[in-house]
Amino acid sequence: ETGVTQTPRHLVMGMTNKKSLKCEQHLGHNAMYWYKQSAKKPLELMFVYNFKEQTENNSVPSRFSPECPNSSHLFLHLHTLQPEDSALYLCASRTDPSYNEQFFGPGTRLTVL
Amino acid sequence: GQQVMQIPQYQHVQEGEDFTTYCNSSTTLSNIQWYKQRPGGHPVFLIQLVKSGEVKKQKRLTFQFGEAKKNSSLHITATQTTDVGTYFCAGIPQGGSEKLVFGKGTKLTVNP
Repeated sequence: ETGVTQTPRHLVMGMTNKKSLKCEQHLGHNAMYWYKQSAKKPLELMFVYNFKEQTENNSVPSRFSPECPNSSHLFLHLHTLQPEDSALYLCASRTDPSYNEQFFGPGTRLTVL
Repeated sequence: GQQVMQIPQYQHVQEGEDFTTYCNSSTTLSNIQWYKQRPGGHPVFLIQLVKSGEVKKQKRLTFQFGEAKKNSSLHITATQTTDVGTYFCAGIPQGGSEKLVFGKGTKLTVNP
C-alpha cells in the first residue's frame, strides 16, 4: 500500500452515463495527478493539482472534468465518454519539490461500452 | 514535443540471464526516475538519478544517468521470476513545465 487509494477499482459505463472516479491520499502530499494508461502507450498525464490549484491540463477533452476540493482528495468526473477512453486511470501524489517521486494509487480500470 | 523513448518494448529472458532497458530523451533532463509496474499493479518508484554520469545500485539493479543527461539505463543482473513486470523511465525536461514525461516502458518476462 502506497497511501494512495482509488475507488472504484473497476468501472463499466455506457457512453451516455455520468460517473466519477475518486482518489484519496493519506501522505500529506500537496500535489496530485491524474494519468491515463492505455495498452501500448506511455503513461499520459492528464491533470496536475498543486495545493488544490490546477497547474496542468494536458489538452484533455472536456468530457473529463477534474475536481480537487482539498489537497487530500481528487476526483475525475466522466460524462459522454467514448470507447477509446477505456483504460486504466491512475492517480498519483507527491510532496514538493516537483522532482520528488510520485506515489501511485492502484488505479481504476474503466471500460466504456 | 518532449519525448522519452525506451527500448526494447519487450524482453524475454531465462531466469539467471541479465537484462537491460535503455531510455533516451529528445531534450536534456533535470533528473530521471525509474518505476516498476507488476502485472495487474500500479507503477512503484524505484530510484531517482540527478547528477550527470550518476550510477546507483540496488542489489541486482544498476541504474545509470548519461553524461549529457539525455539517456539512462537500468541493468538487472541474474534475473529472477520476481523481476517480472514493466519498467518505466520518466524524466523532467530542463526548463520545462516540471512534469514527468514517461517512456512507454519495457515489459520483462522471465522464464523459470
